[in-house]
Amino acid sequence: DAGITQSPRYKITETGRQVTLMCHQTWSHSYMFWYRQDLGHGLRLIYYSAAADITDKGEVPDGYVVSRSKTENFPLTLESATRSQTSVYFCATRVGAETQYFGPGTRLLVL
Amino acid sequence: GESVGLHLPTLSVQEGDNSIINCAYSNSASDYFIWYKQESGKGPQFIIDIRSNMDKRQGQRVTVLLNKTVKHLSLQIAATQPGDSAVYFCAESEKTGANSKLTFGKGITLSVRP
Repeated sequence: DAGITQSPRYKITETGRQVTLMCHQTWSHSYMFWYRQDLGHGLRLIYYSAAADITDKGEVPDGYVVSRSKTENFPLTLESATRSQTSVYFCATRVGAETQYFGPGTRLLVL
Repeated sequence: GESVGLHLPTLSVQEGDNSIINCAYSNSASDYFIWYKQESGKGPQFIIDIRSNMDKRQGQRVTVLLNKTVKHLSLQIAATQPGDSAVYFCAESEKTGANSKLTFGKGITLSVRP
C-alpha cells in the first residue's frame, strides 16, 4: 500500500451525519477506486474514477458521493450515514491495465 | 470467487509445508486473474497475477496455476511461514484496459501452525 494513504484510519459517527473519507496517492495513477469490505461479501466497488473530474458508479454506489478535482485525491462522502454503511473502506489505484494497489483502509462505525 | 457466507473457510498448514489455496471463478470470459493477501487490519496486498494465455506463473515462493477448462485458479505457497498467515482472495477481470474492473472472491483464511 505504499503510495496510498487513507484518513482517518478509524471513524465513529452517528446516523444522519455527513462523513468524508480521504484517499491520497503519491503517484499520478489515472484510475482510483473505492471499495467497501464486509463479512460475507468480500470487496465491493462503490465508485471509481478514470481521471480528474471523471467518476463512475460501481456495484454499490447508493448513499455515497465522490469527487476528483485533483489526480492525487479521491474523497468519498457519505452524505447521511446509515448503520448499513458500517464497514471497512479501501481506496485503490490501478497500475497498468488491471493491477490494483490498495490503501490501508478506514474502519467506519455508524451508531 | 468462493462463496462462503459469513465465515471464511480456513486452511491450516504446518510451518514448512506447501500450501495450496483454491479459487473457482464463474465468468468464462475473464482473462486476467490476481491473488491478494490481506493481513489483519491491513489493506489487500498484491501477490501475483496471471493472464488467460498462460497456465502457470511463478514468483518468489509462490506459483499461480490457471485451469481455464474448469475455471479454477490456485495459489501455491512453498515452505509456508508464520508470516504467510492471512486471508487470501482471488480476483478476476473480463476486460483489459480502460474498462477493466476486478471482481473479488470472498477469501480463504490461511493459518500456519508452528
